[in-house]
Amino acid sequence: EPEVTQTPSHQVTQMGQEVILRCVPISNHLYFYWYRQILGQKVEFLVSFYNNEISEKSEIFDDQFSVERPDGSNFTLKIRSTKLEDSAMYFCASSAGTASTNEKLFFGSGTQLSVL
Amino acid sequence: DAKTTQPPSMDCAEGRAANLPCNHSTISGNEYVYWYRQIHSQGPQYIIHGLKNNETNEMASLIITEDRKSSTLILPHATLRDTAVYYCIVRNPLTTDSWGKFQFGAGTQVVVTP
Repeated sequence: EPEVTQTPSHQVTQMGQEVILRCVPISNHLYFYWYRQILGQKVEFLVSFYNNEISEKSEIFDDQFSVERPDGSNFTLKIRSTKLEDSAMYFCASSAGTASTNEKLFFGSGTQLSVL
Repeated sequence: DAKTTQPPSMDCAEGRAANLPCNHSTISGNEYVYWYRQIHSQGPQYIIHGLKNNETNEMASLIITEDRKSSTLILPHATLRDTAVYYCIVRNPLTTDSWGKFQFGAGTQVVVTP
């Protein structure tokens, strides 16, 4: 079965540094998402992306965050100046975006970001 | 999207059926019930979804009440690998609005014991 892949699986960075989390969505999918999960808390929506632009974002997704689809396969989340509270598991997801009854999200295995 | 209510935890014996309830009393007519699970901080995994009729696939069965205000996910023969947090989510997949709105609640922590 096709899957969403994320790299790296773990990322350690110093506070104030920039990080880029990478994702390869399922190849024929059109909608892409980032979610995060702080340890012990809920999975939280960050942003959705379609047709090379953000379609929706949450309050968490402030100016420190940006997303990009630099080529035909990768989807990235950049955090410009990391804070301690950005430490979390970050999940990428994709969906076909067909507005059909079978529409569902497929998630990657996540990148654990630790900000020191 | 309608909100859902799930019990915080439940235990199940290996080999027995696990019945996971979910209340969604404010669900609207075009919203589907989705179930996902998350095994130990892995990415959420799709299980099943439905609108009105009961659904079954290789992983589970979904029973939706006639008034659609609640549903039950059934894992027919639970194994130790089914230990996970199970999320019930209601969402309308037939619109292109709010594509990100898979809103995860706290879910039900299911522990399958030998």
